[in-house]
Amino acid sequence: AQTVTQSQPEMSVQEAETVTLSCTYDTSESDYYLFWYKQPPSRQMILVIRQEAYKQQNATENRFSVNFQKAAKSFSLKISDSQLGDAAMYFCAYTYNNDMRFGAGTRLTVKP
Amino acid sequence: DTAVSQTPKYLVTQMGNDKSIKCEQNLGHDTMYWYKQDSKKFLKIMFSYNNKELIINETVPNRFSPKSPDKAHLNLHINSLELGDSAVYFCASSQSRSGLRLTQYFGPGTRLLVL
Repeated sequence: AQTVTQSQPEMSVQEAETVTLSCTYDTSESDYYLFWYKQPPSRQMILVIRQEAYKQQNATENRFSVNFQKAAKSFSLKISDSQLGDAAMYFCAYTYNNDMRFGAGTRLTVKP
Repeated sequence: DTAVSQTPKYLVTQMGNDKSIKCEQNLGHDTMYWYKQDSKKFLKIMFSYNNKELIINETVPNRFSPKSPDKAHLNLHINSLELGDSAVYFCASSQSRSGLRLTQYFGPGTRLLVL
């Protein structure tokens, strides 16, 4: 079974600084998708960034970028120039075929 | 304009009752999902439907019964509610392509509290 592990239950970053959230996953598939979702206190699940496993280039969305290491099955999220609005739970997710698996989440606090 | 909508957003009910949560998506997607998020924020898939057909059915008590009248709707009916059913339930949808389901878009969630 595919599993997703986020080893950092909580992280803290100073406003305007950079923070990296870790994620590892376990799969025997070669073609799959990885995601980072953000869940602010409003509870809404918001897609932050997506990575196709067949692409070697790391995905980037403005201040958000990933470090995708396929061989190591690692998919970390880097948030640059952190803003107060980035404070939320961040979930790493893996999908293959019909199934999506989530990590346990990392709660990110942004200090002014 | 809401892409994936759920009703109600909050549901407070007594143990033993039967309740339903409705989900609709206007994205034209062919796959819909139900997730349960427990008090520790852990998200777990419950069901997935593709073109009204059940394709994922995780180990969920049979008190939970999904119904998909058409591919834009996936409702969740829960019989004989128990305290442990208290959670936030998320609906999501995605478009399939070549057997791979793509990005899932989530509804706002329904917070269910069973007293």
